[in-house]
Amino acid sequence: AQSVTQLDSQVPVFEEAPVELRCNYSSSVSVYLFWYVQYPNQGLQLLLKYLSGSTLVESINGFEAEFNKSQTSFHLRKPSVHISDTAEYFCAVGSGYSTLTFGKGTMLLVSP
Amino acid sequence: DAGVIQSPRHEVTEMGQEVTLRCKPISGHNSLFWYRQTMMRGLELLIYFNNNVPIDDSGMPEDRFSAKMPNASFSTLKIQPSEPRDSAVYFCASSLGGAGTGYGYTFGSGTRLTVV
Repeated sequence: AQSVTQLDSQVPVFEEAPVELRCNYSSSVSVYLFWYVQYPNQGLQLLLKYLSGSTLVESINGFEAEFNKSQTSFHLRKPSVHISDTAEYFCAVGSGYSTLTFGKGTMLLVSP
Repeated sequence: DAGVIQSPRHEVTEMGQEVTLRCKPISGHNSLFWYRQTMMRGLELLIYFNNNVPIDDSGMPEDRFSAKMPNASFSTLKIQPSEPRDSAVYFCASSLGGAGTGYGYTFGSGTRLTVV
């Protein structure tokens, strides 16, 4: 069985400040890891993913996440956030024949 | 690519009525998923199809819910009879490959269902 824990339900931050959204997973097999973003009244959109290879993966809008196997983590970071980054962020883990397991989400609130 | 298309975007219905939600997956994707999202329970997987065959329906809440995928380009989720506790946003997602695919899932914009 696999599981995902997003410890922070809400993260408030000021514009241009750095942010880290935490994600920890558990699985007995090799995994794929994903971060999705959900803007208000929209579906989930794939932000970035780790499949294999380099443990640092980046998105086109400045987010990055690092796969840490020893700590079973896949934290999402951005060095300087914008108001437009306000959204809910979901971490997900997948492996083999199991459907993706999503975390409960972290609401990122960026204020001026 | 038009993405995953869901209809309707919003549905308001009275308790006891039948509700049908529709989904058109991305062409070529062979896996389709129905999710329900609520504030209380978050994102819940209802059912997963692979090559039009239901593989895992363990998340379907009860017999009032049913889902079909008659062909590779269309799926429905039906609730009969509907109850106020069914109010939620229902998402359809599709994927290239199986359930645990490294491609991830592509989500539709969702159907916001309100049962009064």
